[in-house]
Amino acid sequence: SQTIHQWPATLVQPVGSPLSLECTVEGTSNPNLYWYRQAAGRGLQLLFYSVGIGQISSEVPQNLSASRPQDRQFILSSKKLLLSDSGFYLCAWSVQGASFGYTFGSGTRLTVV
Amino acid sequence: TQLLEQSPQFLSIQEGENLTVYCNSSSVFSSLQWYRQEPGEGPVLLVTVVTGGEVKKLKRLTFQFGDARKDSSLHITAAQTGDTGLYLCAGEGAGGTSYGKLTFGQGTILTVHP
Repeated sequence: SQTIHQWPATLVQPVGSPLSLECTVEGTSNPNLYWYRQAAGRGLQLLFYSVGIGQISSEVPQNLSASRPQDRQFILSSKKLLLSDSGFYLCAWSVQGASFGYTFGSGTRLTVV
Repeated sequence: TQLLEQSPQFLSIQEGENLTVYCNSSSVFSSLQWYRQEPGEGPVLLVTVVTGGEVKKLKRLTFQFGDARKDSSLHITAAQTGDTGLYLCAGEGAGGTSYGKLTFGQGTILTVHP
């Protein structure tokens, strides 16, 4: 069966510090991978998505970047965090297309202080 | 940019009551999905509807996709306290740069009181 792992679960970082959040998927090959941010338990905003190794599309201009060094690994990074980067970050995967739905990780609560 | 308007934003009801959540857009979607999310966890897929006019039932939950594939509704019959949570609708882009990507509504926070 397929599983998705996302870590860490919570993170408190000072303004200006770097960030690295990691997401891995097991039990499937060539998944579509996504990073979303959710503010205050509301709707999800798509940040990045990837259809293959090294292929990253950014949805909104921001202080963050993403990388996919391996087929089932997706990393969200920042060189210098801003207060506005605080939020709940969710990684998700899907088969090619989205008709079968997304499977989400358990999320990372990031607080920038 | 495809937008999904979800209403109501908040719903507080007593156990046993019925409720409906709506999701509307001016855009056409390939599919419409509903997710439920608990605090501190990721959303979990409840259902996907694909065909215009489609109705799917999941126990006490009924999901409908509009004929024009622009809107959807979630109806819960005889709500239970275990139904409490954040409900999110999400539309799959119908083509072009939107293909395969989900646009989420702003969510409905449902609280069912005993």
